[in-house]
Amino acid sequence: EDQVTQSPEALRLQEGESSSLNCSYTVSGLRGLFWYRQDPGKGPEFLFTLYSAGEEKEKERLKATLTKKESFLHITAPKPEDSATYLCAVQGDPGTYKYIFGTGTRLKVLA
Amino acid sequence: NAGVTQTPKFRVLKTGQSMTLLCAQDMNHEYMYWYRQDPGMGLRLIHYSVGEGTTAKGEVPDGYNVSRLKKQNFLLGLESAAPSQTSVYFCASRPQGRETQYFGPGTRLLVL
Repeated sequence: EDQVTQSPEALRLQEGESSSLNCSYTVSGLRGLFWYRQDPGKGPEFLFTLYSAGEEKEKERLKATLTKKESFLHITAPKPEDSATYLCAVQGDPGTYKYIFGTGTRLKVLA
Repeated sequence: NAGVTQTPKFRVLKTGQSMTLLCAQDMNHEYMYWYRQDPGMGLRLIHYSVGEGTTAKGEVPDGYNVSRLKKQNFLLGLESAAPSQTSVYFCASRPQGRETQYFGPGTRLLVL
């Protein structure tokens, strides 16, 4: 069964304290792994799409990496405005058009 | 370019009432999706559409119906609301040939 597990559930960092969020997945035939940012009361905002193991993408203080079993979202020198819930999702079998979402990591960056 | 918009933003229903949630996108995307988001659970797919005039069931379709009469609109209907349908509903769309979904701002629904 396709599955996505994110850890930790919640993370508190001091401003400038770098860390990583984990997304472990089990899917038959990965077509894409997606990272989203979600602020309270808002819809998920797209960050990255990764397609194959070894791929990396960066945006400002965020860097996403992908292996055959997991993805990491590295946050370098975070700022309070990086506080949000980060969601991971995968798309597997193209015939189903379905996406499997994790439950997210709630990140709080303290000034 | 408004992206994906959802109407209404918030609604309170009594058990047994019906309502329709509207999703509109101006990006000419082929695929559209309805999800619900509940505390402690990931986004769960209710129904989806791969093109105008087509719909299909997702992971949690019971109690919901959908229609895609126009390419830009995807409607989610609740015929007889139940307290278990209290949730935040998100619509998403994506273009053909690309896997990335783009989400709307959500509709908060409270069923009493």
